[in-house]
Amino acid sequence: AQRVTQPEKLLSVFKGAPVELKCNYSYSGSPELFWYVQYSRQRLQLLLRHISRESIKGFTADLNKGETSFHLKKPFAQEEDSAMYYCALKPGNKLVFGAGTILRVKS
Amino acid sequence: SAVISQKPSRDICQRGTSLTIQCQVDSQVTMMFWYRQQPGQSLTLIATANQGSEATYESGFVIDKFPISRPNLTFSTLTVSNMSPEDSSIYLCSVQSGGEKLFFGSGTQLSVL
Repeated sequence: AQRVTQPEKLLSVFKGAPVELKCNYSYSGSPELFWYVQYSRQRLQLLLRHISRESIKGFTADLNKGETSFHLKKPFAQEEDSAMYYCALKPGNKLVFGAGTILRVKS
Repeated sequence: SAVISQKPSRDICQRGTSLTIQCQVDSQVTMMFWYRQQPGQSLTLIATANQGSEATYESGFVIDKFPISRPNLTFSTLTVSNMSPEDSSIYLCSVQSGGEKLFFGSGTQLSVL
């Protein structure tokens, strides 16, 4: 079965603290993984994808096939990072989303 | 990138009625997707709409309840038929463009009384 698990519904950190949003997946094939973000009153948008190995807004995510994880990390959180974050798996043409994690960055 | 216009942005409907949601894209795209996000839950794919063929529905979703039209490469509609309060949800249109990237509409917040 294809599944994405985000164990934390809410993650609250102080500004300047490191952030790690957890994501684990279940998929028998070669996974394509993404992180999507939804800021307050904005539409859902792509943050990053594992095949690009890019850093967007200071966020990175490394695919760990052994642990079937794709955790999202940022060394120093900023208040503008507060948003809902979704991890997603792409088996074929569709996306399977995790339940999402609300990141709250406190000043 | 792709710019998606989705409407209505919200509606309040009576049970037993139907609502049609429209999704307009500023460029031609092969595949359009319709998602549902129920309160407190993640996004669930309803169906994939391909131009010139019938939509492909995911498990748990049927054409009679969620008929979809895809008359051309820039437009699609999703109808929520014979609504009940359980259909209260956010409905999202999305398209694949620029390789693997998915772009989303702003969503339609539906409340069924």
